[in-house]
Amino acid sequence: DAKTTQPTSMDCAEGRAANLPCNHSTISGNEYVYWYRQIHSQGPQYIIHGLKNNETNEMASLIITEDRKSSTLILPHATLRDTAVYYCIVRVEWGSQGNLIFGKGTKLSVKP
Amino acid sequence: EAGVAQSPRYKIIEKRQSVAFWCNPISGHATLYWYQQILGQGPKLLIQFQNNGVVDDSQLPKDRFSAERLKGVDSTLKIQPAKLEDSAVYLCASSPKRDSADTQYFGPGTRLTVL
Repeated sequence: DAKTTQPTSMDCAEGRAANLPCNHSTISGNEYVYWYRQIHSQGPQYIIHGLKNNETNEMASLIITEDRKSSTLILPHATLRDTAVYYCIVRVEWGSQGNLIFGKGTKLSVKP
Repeated sequence: EAGVAQSPRYKIIEKRQSVAFWCNPISGHATLYWYQQILGQGPKLLIQFQNNGVVDDSQLPKDRFSAERLKGVDSTLKIQPAKLEDSAVYLCASSPKRDSADTQYFGPGTRLTVL
């Protein structure tokens, strides 16, 4: 079973920041937080990951709380092409426990 | 670089028939994964290969599903015989190596409909 809790759906206006929350209250010290997204009729796409520090790349920013029990994925300027299902996943780096276990994710709808 | 290739993209069969899916991972990627994604759910791992050896097949229904990765490159996933509940998208993914924080790269998937 997925070890994360995400809202089922969210809306965001085009050009505004999209903030997608994720709860992972049982996360272990050696588990990373990963975000993938899946645009309709495509395979999942890696976005970003982090352990405890905030991370930023060309796609998004990841903010992890100090106690690591929750995180937020931020798309700074959402576009219509960001409409997708976003998955928050916790995983270790090693062994079969490091496999990606997907929940149902958050369906983000970016509206004009 | 070319992404993960899968074929066919769509397949419709009747129950009790057999079906096979093909995956060509990104060149040089050592690890290959097959996932099953039922409508409305997230992908579920079926099997993981490291080169041509199976690392994890604990979620593969071995009475009807089989997979192989000959020569550590391409892979095929077979269902024999298919059941109605096998209707799903079958996703293939690959990653460069099986160690620290690997990113998995997914193909577009094969949508299977079992009638």
